[in-house]
Amino acid sequence: AQSVTQLDSHVSVSEGTPVLLRCNYSSSYSPSLFWYVQHPNKGLQLLLKYTSAATLVKGINGFEAEFKKSETSFHLTKPSAHMSDAAEYFCVVSRTANQAGTALIFGKGTTLSVSS
Amino acid sequence: DGGITQSPKYLFRKEGQNVTLSCEQNLNHDAMYWYRQDPGQGLRLIYYSQIVNDFQKGDIAEGYSVSREKKESFPLTVTSAQKNPTAFYLCASSIGGRITEAFFGQGTRLTVV
Repeated sequence: AQSVTQLDSHVSVSEGTPVLLRCNYSSSYSPSLFWYVQHPNKGLQLLLKYTSAATLVKGINGFEAEFKKSETSFHLTKPSAHMSDAAEYFCVVSRTANQAGTALIFGKGTTLSVSS
Repeated sequence: DGGITQSPKYLFRKEGQNVTLSCEQNLNHDAMYWYRQDPGQGLRLIYYSQIVNDFQKGDIAEGYSVSREKKESFPLTVTSAQKNPTAFYLCASSIGGRITEAFFGQGTRLTVV
């Protein structure tokens, strides 16, 4: 079965410093992986997605993630944090084709705080 | 503009009452989903529908019901059987098949008073 683990529940950075949000996944086959962002009391917005094309995926707002099959990781990075990046981030994996449904499986989320 | 509309944004329910959360999409997507979000829990799947007139239970379906009579609409009813309904509810849709991306509504916050 598919699963996803976000290794940090809370990450704090200073504005202008790099961001690293860590995610490991478990999958019996090559999955589709996503990062979503959620600002308080809002819906979720897709940051980027990996669907078996290039392993380095570039997303919106300067974020990128690298799919590493050998490490079963899909960490999210950004070279320089901005105050507006403060939000909750979810690492997400697609369910297997033979599982009932096509819905996504979410990690528990990482809250990113950015200080000035 | 295409998107997913959830209403109401805030909803209060007395214990023992059923309430219905609305979800409408104009993206022409076949698949729709309901998720529940609790602090520190991520999102958990309640129900999903891959096509009109068909829906399936997700991971936490007890105490909830849905219908899918139209492609555009996927309402969720929180019944009195749901013991802890206070949560943030998110509706999503996708093109269908092997999912590649889901689009989310802005959510409904349900509080039991």
